[in-house]
Amino acid sequence: AQTVTQSQPEMSVQEAETVTLSCTYDTSESDYYLFWYKQPPSRQMILVIRQEAYKQQNATENRFSVNFQKAAKSFSLKISDSQLGDAAMYFCAYKRPRDDKIIFGKGTRLHILP
Amino acid sequence: GAVVSQHPSWVICKSGTSVKIECRSLDFQATTMFWYRQFPKQSLMLMATSNEGSKATYEQGVEKDKFLINHASLTLSTLTVTSAHPEDSSFYICSAGRGYNQPQHFGDGTRLSIL
Repeated sequence: AQTVTQSQPEMSVQEAETVTLSCTYDTSESDYYLFWYKQPPSRQMILVIRQEAYKQQNATENRFSVNFQKAAKSFSLKISDSQLGDAAMYFCAYKRPRDDKIIFGKGTRLHILP
Repeated sequence: GAVVSQHPSWVICKSGTSVKIECRSLDFQATTMFWYRQFPKQSLMLMATSNEGSKATYEQGVEKDKFLINHASLTLSTLTVTSAHPEDSSFYICSAGRGYNQPQHFGDGTRLSIL
């Protein structure tokens, strides 16, 4: 069975600084999708970034980028120029190809220090 | 962009009543819909997968008679919590997908409180 592990329950970063959230996963499949979702206090799930496993190039979305290491099964999220609005719970997620199910990690709560 | 509407956003009811939560995909036809439960400060736990025109597939440990799922059309899935009790109080979120190579879109969730 696939698992997603986020080893950092909480992290803090100074506003305007860069922070990296870690995520590892376990799977025997070769084709899959990986995601980072943001959940602010409103509890709305917001897609931050996604990565297709067959693509070697790391995905980027403005201030958000990932470091995807397929062999190591690692998928970290880097947030540059952190802003107060980035404060939220961040979930790493794995999408199974055969049934579209998404498996979430336990989350990392990110605090932005002014 | 694609939008998933979930209703109601918050419901409070007495123990023993049944509560229905709706999940609608507003501008696309969802091949599958998923229902999650989230306890405070925890991750999303998949409860069941809803496929249009067929029975829902429940995850291990989820009571199918307690959590009835109906997916009557490609744009609507409903979750009914039957004979709700205080332990059913939680945050329930649905998501809709258009297929493997498309991201899932999440509803804004329903906060269920059983008194």
